[in-house]
Amino acid sequence: AQKVTQAQTEISVVEKEDVTLDCVYETRDTTYYLFWYKQPPSGELVFLIRRNSFDEQNEISGRYSWNFQKSTSSFNFTITASQVVDSAVYFCALSDQNTGNQFYFGTGTSLTVIP
Amino acid sequence: ETGVTQTPRHLVMGMTNKKSLKCEQHLGHNAMYWYKQSAKKPLELMFVYNFKEQTENNSVPSRFSPECPNSSHLFLHLHTLQPEDSALYLCASSQTYPYEQYFGPGTRLTVT
Repeated sequence: AQKVTQAQTEISVVEKEDVTLDCVYETRDTTYYLFWYKQPPSGELVFLIRRNSFDEQNEISGRYSWNFQKSTSSFNFTITASQVVDSAVYFCALSDQNTGNQFYFGTGTSLTVIP
Repeated sequence: ETGVTQTPRHLVMGMTNKKSLKCEQHLGHNAMYWYKQSAKKPLELMFVYNFKEQTENNSVPSRFSPECPNSSHLFLHLHTLQPEDSALYLCASSQTYPYEQYFGPGTRLTVT
């Protein structure tokens, strides 16, 4: 069965600190895709990244970076030098060949960056 | 308009009312989705449409009725709702698997 676990419900950091959001997934497929989304207070989920199961290279985009480790079934997201605008709920999601268009979302991590 | 739009953004309705939520995508995608997001609960997938055909219906009560007249438009018709149906209703679109979904801003629904 497919499952995404985000064990951190809420995190608070002081501005300019680094923060890592954890995501652990379960799937029996060898081909699957992982995603991160940001949901600011306005409500709209904003797509951040898609990663396929065959590409384990870490990715960096500005202050954002992602660490994909198949050995531990994790796809963690790090924000470097956090800013107040990073305050949001962050969701990790999984889709695989078995479920196709259906995404499995984690329960989200609420990040608060304190100025 | 760009991306995914939803109207109305806020809706208050009584339990005996009938209303509809509208979603439109301007991305040329061929799959569209309705999600429900309640406070303190995970995102719940309600319906999936691929090329206008419904492919998923995750045990959603019949008081929610989707309609997809074409690949760009998606409606959610509401009737005889319950207070527990109060939530943020999100629409999304994508190319078919394995591509990312793009979300609209949501409709905040309150059932009184």
